[in-house]
Amino acid sequence: AQSVTQLDSHVSVSEGTPVLLRCNYSSSYSPSLFWYVQHPNKGLQLLLKYTSAATLVKGINGFEAEFKKSETSFHLTKPSAHMSDAAEYFCVVSDSTKAAGNKLTFGGGTRVLVKP
Amino acid sequence: EPEVTQTPSHQVTQMGQEVILRCVPISNHLYFYWYRQILGQKVEFLVSFYNNEISEKSEIFDDQFSVERPDGSNFTLKIRSTKLEDSAMYFCASRGGGQGVYEQYFGPGTRLTVT
Repeated sequence: AQSVTQLDSHVSVSEGTPVLLRCNYSSSYSPSLFWYVQHPNKGLQLLLKYTSAATLVKGINGFEAEFKKSETSFHLTKPSAHMSDAAEYFCVVSDSTKAAGNKLTFGGGTRVLVKP
Repeated sequence: EPEVTQTPSHQVTQMGQEVILRCVPISNHLYFYWYRQILGQKVEFLVSFYNNEISEKSEIFDDQFSVERPDGSNFTLKIRSTKLEDSAMYFCASRGGGQGVYEQYFGPGTRLTVT
């Protein structure tokens, strides 16, 4: 079985300072990992994905994440937060070996507040 | 840019009534999914659908639930007799075909309130 733990339910940062959202996963096979973002009253938007190529993955809006197999982690970072980054962020794992099913397992989410 | 759409955005229904939640996936996608998020809880997988049949379903997806792709463009989730605990945000998602990893594209969700 696969699972995801997001270590912080809320993160508050000042505009222009770095953002770190922590994620640990559990999987019995080589996982595919994703970060999704949800802005208020909007759908879930893909920020970035890890698919066993480069361990450092760059996504949209300046976000990146590093896959560390030894630590079973996939933390999301951004060097400088912007007011528009205020949203809820979900770390997600998938079994990439199942072509038909490929269900996503979500972490509990981290709500990011950006202070001016 | 193509996107997944869902209707209605908010549905209020009485306990015991049937509801149908509608989704229009991205047009060339082959795999379709429903997820739900009860307020304050995680997003949970309900069901995946491929080649006109269910490919995987969770324990939540019992006999009260069904899915259908009636006309090659819509993808629906039916709840036959709603319960209070069915109140949640329901998300539809779709993805492209073939092997490898393809991200799932999500709709904006339907908020279902059962009274």
